[in-house]
Amino acid sequence: AQSVTQPDIHITVSEGASLELRCNYSYGATPYLFWYVQSPGQGLQLLLKYFSGDTLVQGIKGFEAEFKRSQSSFNLRKPSVHWSDAAEYFCAVGSNFNKFYFGSGTKLNVKP
Amino acid sequence: DSGVTQTPKHLITATGQRVTLRCSPRSGDLSVYWYQQSLDQGLQFLIQYYNGEERAKGNILERFSAQQFPDLHSELNLSSLELGDSALYFCASSGLGQGAEETQYFGPGTRLLVL
Repeated sequence: AQSVTQPDIHITVSEGASLELRCNYSYGATPYLFWYVQSPGQGLQLLLKYFSGDTLVQGIKGFEAEFKRSQSSFNLRKPSVHWSDAAEYFCAVGSNFNKFYFGSGTKLNVKP
Repeated sequence: DSGVTQTPKHLITATGQRVTLRCSPRSGDLSVYWYQQSLDQGLQFLIQYYNGEERAKGNILERFSAQQFPDLHSELNLSSLELGDSALYFCASSGLGQGAEETQYFGPGTRLLVL
């Protein structure tokens, strides 16, 4: 069965520090992978997505993610975090049948 | 602003009641998705419609139903409400809804509280 695991519920980083949010997925075929961000009281916004090709994907707001098939991972990274990045981040996998599965989310807190 | 609108923003009702949530997709988008976000279940995909037809079904309860109208807006009907149905319900839209690779644009959500 398809599933997405985000092992870190909360992460706190200092402003200007680098960030890596972990995501592991379980899916039988080549997955469609996504990272979304949700600010308080807002809907989800797509940061980036991966379907095929280059395993390093660039997204909006300076985020990138790397697909590693051997590790079933799709970790999100940012070299220098800004206070405005504080939000909740969701990893998701989409299937060929248009079904989508989300991780439980990682809440990012940014220290000044 | 994603261009997806949802009404109402907040809804408070009692157990056993029925409510209808409404979603208007972005202009030109043919596909609508419904999601439920709750504290215990997280974010769950419920159902997808494309141009009025059901296309994919997720973890949608039998007490819940949805439809997409000719003008492409969609409604999610929740009946025989239980306390556990309290959640944030999101609608998203995409252009053609023909593949998981399409970007979905999310609305701001409807917060439902069942008392």
